Amino acid sequence: DSGVTQTPKHLITATGQRVTLRCSPRSGDLSVYWYQQSLDQGLQFLIQYYNGEERAKGNILERFSAQQFPDLHSELNLSSLELGDSALYFCASSGVSSYNEQFFGPGTRLTVL
Amino acid sequence: EDQVTQSPEALRLQEGESSSLNCSYTVSGLRGLFWYRQDPGKGPEFLFTLYSAGEEKEKERLKATLTKKESFLHITAPKPEDSATYLCAVPSMNRDDKIIFGKGTRLHILP
Repeated sequence: DSGVTQTPKHLITATGQRVTLRCSPRSGDLSVYWYQQSLDQGLQFLIQYYNGEERAKGNILERFSAQQFPDLHSELNLSSLELGDSALYFCASSGVSSYNEQFFGPGTRLTVL
Repeated sequence: EDQVTQSPEALRLQEGESSSLNCSYTVSGLRGLFWYRQDPGKGPEFLFTLYSAGEEKEKERLKATLTKKESFLHITAPKPEDSATYLCAVPSMNRDDKIIFGKGTRLHILP
């Protein structure tokens, strides 16, 4: 158990809909990272927050957004969903920066029908 | 451009047959290299961090080593439960705070 929690575990929705994925980092970790992993694809970095502020952005679509709240939990919002958005979405947390190893949550499996 | 390349893409070994996985990187000023294990449908599990050339770390049947250009994950006398995808990652040297992951090596240990 990494100490990072993600909800829900599974999400099935239809094209055009909007969903919110939630992540709670390990106790004491200030950084939260979001990744997308499609079938047989590598981990694609989406976005990072540090202590409530956006710190780094990867290949995140404009239809996707995220935020980190004062209690350090984070939410990833996916809107106008397309079939190609079906994937595993992972959240990871770390200490101060990418110098520190990241600890991953169990993921949310999103299926868009 | 910062890049991480892992080889081979896939590896099938017999139980007990030792081998090594490779991770080569092209980032200037390495600030650490991470190894992870990922089981299908699960989140990556942190294994090791290496910071400087010559450093080695061990955990059960796994040993990670680091040179100036690459890292190796040596697997000694593997068991079927070692079957997984092994990922390596390095922090980006850009002003952002990203970690760059390799595509991984899918390891399958046959009983």
